[in-house]
Amino acid sequence: DAGVTQSPTHLIKTRGQQVTLRCSPKSGHDTVSWYQQALGQGPQFIFQYYEEEERQRGNFPDRFSGHQFPNYSSELNVNALLLGDSALYLCASSLYSANTEAFFGQGTRLTVV
Amino acid sequence: AQSVTQPDIHITVSEGASLELRCNYSYGATPYLFWYVQSPGQGLQLLLKYFSGDTLVQGIKGFEAEFKRSQSSFNLRKPSVHWSDAAEYFCAVGAGVTGGGNKLTFGTGTQLKVEL
Repeated sequence: DAGVTQSPTHLIKTRGQQVTLRCSPKSGHDTVSWYQQALGQGPQFIFQYYEEEERQRGNFPDRFSGHQFPNYSSELNVNALLLGDSALYLCASSLYSANTEAFFGQGTRLTVV
Repeated sequence: AQSVTQPDIHITVSEGASLELRCNYSYGATPYLFWYVQSPGQGLQLLLKYFSGDTLVQGIKGFEAEFKRSQSSFNLRKPSVHWSDAAEYFCAVGAGVTGGGNKLTFGTGTQLKVEL
């Protein structure tokens, strides 16, 4: 079992650009959630995807959008990047209707310059 | 809305000493509670979870945690700390609207340093 995999591991972008991060969930999981972890902070919930729809959303602007594919993998897109978007972006997979834990990937470190 | 407070930003213990990391939560219903550990630049690894039942839960790497509803706490403990336990520890509460592991709210973390 490969667990949750994220790509790329590191990324450097310029202010105003757009970025796409990718996540493959743990085998058997149907839900993908994205979190932003700024330096020295705990992860903050961005949104959650299940059945290819956004189900819950945290307090993030519309510049943050996502997608889930039929194979349950997911993308996080961020438009018009700001310096403050620099963070570790974590993907977590889980089962939507079961009381199980979320499994996290290793994250994508995004640096905006 | 749920929230999690980890009062200790940094904790230093000697190798072999006991450890307790504090976590207080705020949530209107029965919470789903988790402790995760994060090594530098890495993702989160689940140490243990509480969903229901026995309030003392055992996890990996010799960690345990006790759910105390009256105190809204879920403190993490380990009887004897190893140098490899040095990392950042996060307490989290799950919204439980759907699955327990969905939409987690994290504390700000406790950085553990182990002195040899």
